[in-house]
Amino acid sequence: AAGVIQSPRHLIKEKRETATLKCYPIPRHDTVYWYQQGPGQDPQFLISFYEKMQSDKGSIPDRFSAQQFSDYHSELNMSSLELGDSALYFCASNAPTGGSYNEQFFGPGTRLTVL
Amino acid sequence: GDSVTQMEGPVTLSEEAFLTINCTYTATGYPSLFWYVQYPGEGLQLLLKATKADDKGSNKGFEATYRKETTSFHLEKGSVQVSDSAVYFCALSGPQGGSEKLVFGKGMKLTVNP
Repeated sequence: AAGVIQSPRHLIKEKRETATLKCYPIPRHDTVYWYQQGPGQDPQFLISFYEKMQSDKGSIPDRFSAQQFSDYHSELNMSSLELGDSALYFCASNAPTGGSYNEQFFGPGTRLTVL
Repeated sequence: GDSVTQMEGPVTLSEEAFLTINCTYTATGYPSLFWYVQYPGEGLQLLLKATKADDKGSNKGFEATYRKETTSFHLEKGSVQVSDSAVYFCALSGPQGGSEKLVFGKGMKLTVNP
């Protein structure tokens, strides 16, 4: 079965550079979530999109922006990178039906290292 | 805001030992509760879930019961295997229906030795 695809899997950047992370949800999933997991930390919710509109926002720095495109893939843009942005960035997707909770399926993550 | 508190470990057990990982939560309304597992170098996988009080989630020998009266969702397994070595996260999501962000606990690293 198709899973959530994230690219790149690994990314190394210098401080103050920019980075773009991409997420391709499972086919027919219309909701995408982004999470950041620092070293040894729990995943923290950043932002989510439903039908190409931002649906919720968490602890996402102003230096970060994200969007969901017409094909439902999403991109997380990170500017003025700082050492503290080094983390594993997960994307998850689901297809809410308005009934019981729908499982979020996670991608393998993008490991960002800022030097 | 909503939060999850869980045992953090790390914990080391011998194969076939009994496992309990405590998890309690604070939330408005009636959240859905989850246990996610993260194997080394991999993403998060849903292990089990419960969406209402007294529901029991189970998978791969793991069980957890949604206890509204104690706001808990403790994970148990009667006999762990080496392959269960991973980090375990307790998590909650908002009231049923719609898409809701996940709020995670700090995670607990489990190592099972032969």
